[in-house]
Amino acid sequence: EPEVTQTPSHQVTQMGQEVILRCVPISNHLYFYWYRQILGQKVEFLVSFYNNEISEKSEIFDDQFSVERPDGSNFTLKIRSTKLEDSAMYFCASRAAPNTGELFFGEGSRLTVL
Amino acid sequence: GESVGLHLPTLSVQEGDNSIINCAYSNSASDYFIWYKQESGKGPQFIIDIRSNMDKRQGQRVTVLLNKTVKHLSLQIAATQPGDSAVYFCAENGNDYKLSFGAGTTVTVRA
Repeated sequence: EPEVTQTPSHQVTQMGQEVILRCVPISNHLYFYWYRQILGQKVEFLVSFYNNEISEKSEIFDDQFSVERPDGSNFTLKIRSTKLEDSAMYFCASRAAPNTGELFFGEGSRLTVL
Repeated sequence: GESVGLHLPTLSVQEGDNSIINCAYSNSASDYFIWYKQESGKGPQFIIDIRSNMDKRQGQRVTVLLNKTVKHLSLQIAATQPGDSAVYFCAENGNDYKLSFGAGTTVTVRA
């Protein structure tokens, strides 16, 4: 069964460092998302991406965050200068069709900022 | 404020019994709702969805009920099994299928 894959599974970084989280969405999917989940809390929307551009972003997704689809298969989330409060599980998701809420999530990348 | 929320953060259920997980939403214009399940250490997994032109939808061992009058939806799991132990989120669809998740109900199945 096709799946969304994410790397790394866990990254520990120092405050102020840049982090790139990588995702490979399901191959025929066209819509891509990043969500995050702080430990014990709900899943929060960060950004959606379609047709090589951001379609919507949340207040969390400030100018420290960026996304890119560099090569037609990978979908990356970059945090330019990490803060302690960026520590969370980051989930990538993708969706095939324009009329379904069925997002396929990866298993997440846990980011720990020290 | 939060647009979707769950009534109870935890639910303990005996194996074989039915489970009912509740969710309230505040936006009367919302027209599409989805239930997700998140097992420990994994990403959310789609269970079932319902559009506002329906009040009930059934899947395999799951039923979602939508009451638009009181802005409430529920997920019913029949004959709950140990593998059903997880956190369950209701989600409300926004623009571009940006999902807004509720806080989650942790379901624990007792053997």
